[in-house]
Amino acid sequence: GQNIDQPTEMTATEGAIVQINCTYQTSGFNGLFWYQQHAGEAPTFLSYNVLDGLEEKGRFSSFLSRSKGYSYLLLKELQMKDSASYLCAVSDSWGKLQFGAGTQVVVTP
Amino acid sequence: GAVVSQHPSWVICKSGTSVKIECRSLDFQATTMFWYRQFPKQSLMLMATSNEGSKATYEQGVEKDKFLINHASLTLSTLTVTSAHPEDSSFYICSAPGGWAGESDTQYFGPGTRLTVL
Repeated sequence: GQNIDQPTEMTATEGAIVQINCTYQTSGFNGLFWYQQHAGEAPTFLSYNVLDGLEEKGRFSSFLSRSKGYSYLLLKELQMKDSASYLCAVSDSWGKLQFGAGTQVVVTP
Repeated sequence: GAVVSQHPSWVICKSGTSVKIECRSLDFQATTMFWYRQFPKQSLMLMATSNEGSKATYEQGVEKDKFLINHASLTLSTLTVTSAHPEDSSFYICSAPGGWAGESDTQYFGPGTRLTVL
C-alpha cells in the first residue's frame, strides 16, 4: 500500500511564495504528480517528477527526493486564481495513482 | 495536452435506479482508464481500472456488482452505478494515461460527473 501526507491548508498573500510538502511511503514508485483542483472541478495536471531534482514550469516548480520519499510544489508570485486544492499523487508500477488528501491553498489580498 | 470528456456532467436520480457515466478519450486511444470517486472535501479515491478488451480490476472495498465497468472501445469506458442509493452520491471522475509522445506517464482527467441520488 501507499501512504501520502500533505498539509491540510496553507494561507499566503498575493505575490508571495508558498511551498507545499508531500511525503510518501510506497511499495512501488513510478513517479509523483502534482494536480490543481478548484472546487467542483476535475484535477488539472501541474507537474510530474520521476527523477530526483527540481522541475520548473513558469511560476510552479516541483522537487523530488526518492531516497527521502519527499516532494514539494513551489508556487511563486501567488495570484488570487491560485486559491485551490493541490493534490500530491504517487504512481505505482501499474500506473495507478494514489492521492494525498490535498492541501487547500488560500490566497489573500 | 490530451482531452478526456465525461457525460453527463451532472445527474439526479431516484434511489434504486441505475445511472451510466461515459468517459471518452477524444484525441487519443486509451487501453486503460481509471475511475475515481471524490466525496466533498476529500481526495480522490481510485475505484477501479478499466481495461479495453478485458475485465476491470477493482480496488479493495469496491463492489464490482454495484459499479459495472465496460471498456467498449479504445476511446470509451462506461461506469454504471446500479441500484443507486443516497450514499452513492458523489463526484465521479475518470482519467486516462498519456496520449502524446513524451507524456505517456501523465494522466488526464475528465471534467467529472456529479451524481445525486434522492
